[in-house]
Amino acid sequence: DTEVTQTPKHLVMGMTNKKSLKCEQHMGHRAMYWYKQKAKKPPELMFVYSYEKLSINESVPSRFSPECPNSSLLNLHLHALQPEDSALYLCASSPRTGGDYEQYFGPGTRLTVT
Amino acid sequence: AQSVTQLDSQVPVFEEAPVELRCNYSSSVSVYLFWYVQYPNQGLQLLLKYLSGSTLVKGINGFEAEFNKSQTSFHLRKPSVHISDTAEYFCAVSEDFGNEKLTFGTGTRLTIIP
Repeated sequence: DTEVTQTPKHLVMGMTNKKSLKCEQHMGHRAMYWYKQKAKKPPELMFVYSYEKLSINESVPSRFSPECPNSSLLNLHLHALQPEDSALYLCASSPRTGGDYEQYFGPGTRLTVT
Repeated sequence: AQSVTQLDSQVPVFEEAPVELRCNYSSSVSVYLFWYVQYPNQGLQLLLKYLSGSTLVKGINGFEAEFNKSQTSFHLRKPSVHISDTAEYFCAVSEDFGNEKLTFGTGTRLTIIP
């Protein structure tokens, strides 16, 4: 299995809702990432988990809460989002061993906040 | 801190013509360099990467790039483009001391004209 999967593909939520995005990889990668991408912009790093521990938080608002239950799974819990949080949310993973720092991206979750 | 500049936001090219997408980076240490492609409504796919060794790197779909340390550049080239190459192309840099952060350029929209 050489891919990163993300669910759901699309999500519409109200500003008072609580929802979660899920990311999974079975490549044995030890680093996992959440990115936010607005239209016609590059991905912006949100969080990095390395060996299941949060290693980087790019000053993301607390309404986004990441979780790494195990080495294959990464969640992003969403609560009280704003319309400007509407974006494509990308998950990625990386081996982080043997000098290989390539990041493998999932297809993304298209989030719309109403 | 590392940074990436993609000077061309849009590049229109006729089908079967050659193309070069420019990328310049800035870093105070050695770097790893990547080119990613993003097709509409999809995640990012790695085209090629430079970690060390030969400065001419060949990737998927007939693309290649040359690392030039003195000019701090990593331009992407293809000798003959196809309609299916229409996409957004992102150059990215990671500092090689194990930095977990991948810094993206602003992207170049490649449009192939039939």
